[in-house]
Amino acid sequence: GAVVSQHPSRVICKSGTSVKIECRSLDFQATTMFWYRQFPKQSLMLMATSNEGSKATYEQGVEKDKFLINHASLTLSTLTVTSAHPEDSSFYICSAIRLAGGTTDTQYFGPGTRLTVL
Amino acid sequence: SQQGEEDPQALSIQEGENATMNCSYKTSINNLQWYRQNSGRGLVHLILIRSNEREKHSGRLRVTLDTSKKSSSLLITASRAADTASYFCATDKGGSEKLVFGKGTKLTVNP
Repeated sequence: GAVVSQHPSRVICKSGTSVKIECRSLDFQATTMFWYRQFPKQSLMLMATSNEGSKATYEQGVEKDKFLINHASLTLSTLTVTSAHPEDSSFYICSAIRLAGGTTDTQYFGPGTRLTVL
Repeated sequence: SQQGEEDPQALSIQEGENATMNCSYKTSINNLQWYRQNSGRGLVHLILIRSNEREKHSGRLRVTLDTSKKSSSLLITASRAADTASYFCATDKGGSEKLVFGKGTKLTVNP
């Protein structure tokens, strides 16, 4: 299988605090992980691409200083929402591409993290 | 402009009926994928169809791809209440590994 986990699954924080979300590929190595944000009843919007050992690349309109991404190993990427505000409340989902021979077109998604900023 | 736009936005059917969802996109692609998302959960990969394929089957799922019309369809046969979910198509962005998701079709299968 190709299992991706996220932790925490749900977090509530006060405005101004920082929140770290972890994304792990449990049974495979992933050189590339992606972070998405999904507002209620909307589609997923790609925020950034996380590459192991290098800086993340951010999509247009996503503040890199606010959404810090670290991809420290082939199985772990973290997203830190710094100085969170109520408008950052959303469902954050990560995905990973398996590092393997042949094609790596399928992204395996984590279960998501529901962030609520009060 | 957004790639991967599904229609209908919402679909309600009875158990046992077939459900068809469509997806249109605007630029060239290498592949198109369909995902399912249960309410408040992550995405489950259903099927990937490459640009040189026209049809693909997986269990009760049938996906077609028409690159000349830049469209794809997902057919779920003999639907079950457990198929109730949102379904998204996703295309690769400019041939990269990035995915662009459509707005999704919310399917409700009534028992």
